[in-house]
Amino acid sequence: DSGVTQTPKHLITATGQRVTLRCSPRSGDLSVYWYQQSLDQGLQFLIQYYNGEERAKGNILERFSAQQFPDLHSELNLSSLELGDSALYFCASSVGGTSGTGELFFGEGSRLTVL
Amino acid sequence: TQLLEQSPQFLSIQEGENLTVYCNSSSVFSSLQWYRQEPGEGPVLLVTVVTGGEVKKLKRLTFQFGDARKDSSLHITAAQPGDTGLYLCAGAGNTPLVFGKGTRLSVIA
Repeated sequence: DSGVTQTPKHLITATGQRVTLRCSPRSGDLSVYWYQQSLDQGLQFLIQYYNGEERAKGNILERFSAQQFPDLHSELNLSSLELGDSALYFCASSVGGTSGTGELFFGEGSRLTVL
Repeated sequence: TQLLEQSPQFLSIQEGENLTVYCNSSSVFSSLQWYRQEPGEGPVLLVTVVTGGEVKKLKRLTFQFGDARKDSSLHITAAQPGDTGLYLCAGAGNTPLVFGKGTRLSVIA
């Protein structure tokens, strides 16, 4: 158990819909990262928050947004969903603001299927 | 954009065999991490290598960081079915970790 909790574990929805994925980081970790994993693209970095503020942005689509709340949990909002958004979405947390040599602790992921 | 290429993509071997997987990039990384991911779970850190030329051993697993800090390898001796999984390398630089696509290893008893 990594200590990172993600909900829901599975989600099936239709094209054009909007979903919210939730993540609670490990106790004491200030950084939250969102990654998307698909078979062809591997694990792609989307966005990082550190202590409530956006720290780094990766290949995140404009249809996607995220935020980190004062209690440090984070939400990833995916809107106007397309078939190609079907993937595993992972949340990870770390103590510091830069992943550097620090370990990332991953949740079990949220599997999104868009029909 | 920093990219990490892993090879081979897939590897299926018999229990007891040795294997090496590779992680290559044209970019220099300040450190490189190896993660293992099992079905239905998130990646779990195996090791971090920081210094060029560094070699780290974790039981039957040997990790090496290239002298120029652009590449790394993972060697498994006498593979066991419990080693089955997706092995991911990840490079750290000025951005959050960049992951390779992984090597999917299957060890058959």
